[in-house]
Amino acid sequence: AQSVSQHNHHVILSEAASLELGCNYSYGGTVNLFWYVQYPGQHLQLLLKYFSGDPLVKGIKGFEAEFIKSKFSFNLRKPSVQWSDTAEYFCAVKGNRDDKIIFGKGTRLHILP
Amino acid sequence: GAVVSQHPSRVICKSGTSVKIECRSLDFQATTMFWYRQFPKQSLMLMATSNEGSKATYEQGVEKDKFLINHASLTLSTLTVTSAHPEDSSFYICSATEGTGGVQYFGPGTRLTVT
Repeated sequence: AQSVSQHNHHVILSEAASLELGCNYSYGGTVNLFWYVQYPGQHLQLLLKYFSGDPLVKGIKGFEAEFIKSKFSFNLRKPSVQWSDTAEYFCAVKGNRDDKIIFGKGTRLHILP
Repeated sequence: GAVVSQHPSRVICKSGTSVKIECRSLDFQATTMFWYRQFPKQSLMLMATSNEGSKATYEQGVEKDKFLINHASLTLSTLTVTSAHPEDSSFYICSATEGTGGVQYFGPGTRLTVT
């Protein structure tokens, strides 16, 4: 069955710390991968996506993610977080021939000022 | 970027009544729209996928007679919760895709409270 697993449910960091949020997926086929972010009181926004090509994808606000096919992983990284990065982050996977996206349970990130 | 709106943002209704939630793509034509439900501190649960002019495809366990979806145009989809009960209280979110790009653009959600 298709699934997405996010390893951390709640992460607390200080400003300027480096961030890595884990994401693993289970899907038998070619996939498209996404990270979405939901800032407090706001709707989900696309942070970055991977469809094909360079497995290291850069998104908005200094975020990047690396697709490692052999590990079925798509971890999200940022070298130096800011207080404004406080949000909930969702990893998601879609089969490239499917319409629907499967979401992970989300990681709540709290940045201390 | 593509914008998706939802109306209303919040609604409170009495048990047994029906509630309609609208989802609109404001600056693009949405070939496919999705309806999700989000429980507190949990991920989004896909309820159904709808394509303009055709019947919605419901996920397993979602009652199609209770959650009526109408995708009448390329910019509008509606979700009607019929005979609502307190257990239907939740946060309902829609999203839309343009073409076959795969990226879903999300609406701000509608919080439904059934008393």
